[in-house]
Amino acid sequence: DIQMTQSPSSVSASVGDRVTITCRASQGIASWLAWYQQKPGKAPKLLIFAASTLHSGAPSRFSGSGSGTDFTLTISSLQPEDFATYYCQQANSFPITFGQGTRLEIK
Amino acid sequence: QVQLVESGGGVVQPGRSLRLSCAASGFTFSSYPMHWVRQAPGKGLEWVTVISYDGDNKNYADSVKGRFTISRDNSKNMVYLQMNSLRGEDTAVYYCAKEYMGYTYGFDYWGQGTLVTVSS
Repeated sequence: DIQMTQSPSSVSASVGDRVTITCRASQGIASWLAWYQQKPGKAPKLLIFAASTLHSGAPSRFSGSGSGTDFTLTISSLQPEDFATYYCQQANSFPITFGQGTRLEIK
Repeated sequence: QVQLVESGGGVVQPGRSLRLSCAASGFTFSSYPMHWVRQAPGKGLEWVTVISYDGDNKNYADSVKGRFTISRDNSKNMVYLQMNSLRGEDTAVYYCAKEYMGYTYGFDYWGQGTLVTVSS
């Protein structure tokens, strides 16, 4: 199985900050990576697919990059509604696997 | 608009069975593979299983293989998860999810989830 490792596990930041979350795959997954945002008690929402393509409805302050084994999610200017947990997901092969999550908290 | 509504969760004793349902609407259900993803309390997301658009192909996580069975009824726009021999570690919120444009592009719609608690 492909292991997905996110870092950091949690991060504190302020409104307006630029934040970057990284995700590393245990083997190459080309660009088959998705990013999700999840708020407490809610289902995840798709933000980015194919590593760098913004899903419709996701704000343009979110961007993704990377290929192979190393990927990043960047939020260019944090807004109050962005404080949530973020997950990466490899979609290269079954079993589909998720990173452990990165909790983004208000500083 | 696309809606996925799960039902069937509850409290069940270890070793017993439970069947979850997911009612889909707002899209051409028979054209899309469907997945179940679970989340244990306070934990991360774990992919469970997928069924192809026509029901002919299925794939399972090792943690549920041989115990869980996914199925679908395209005439009713429903997907099911039959869970047998339940264990404490199966306690989680179970989400059904729709593929976006193929599983490589992620899941674009999720249900609200249904909580399964396995406890004596």
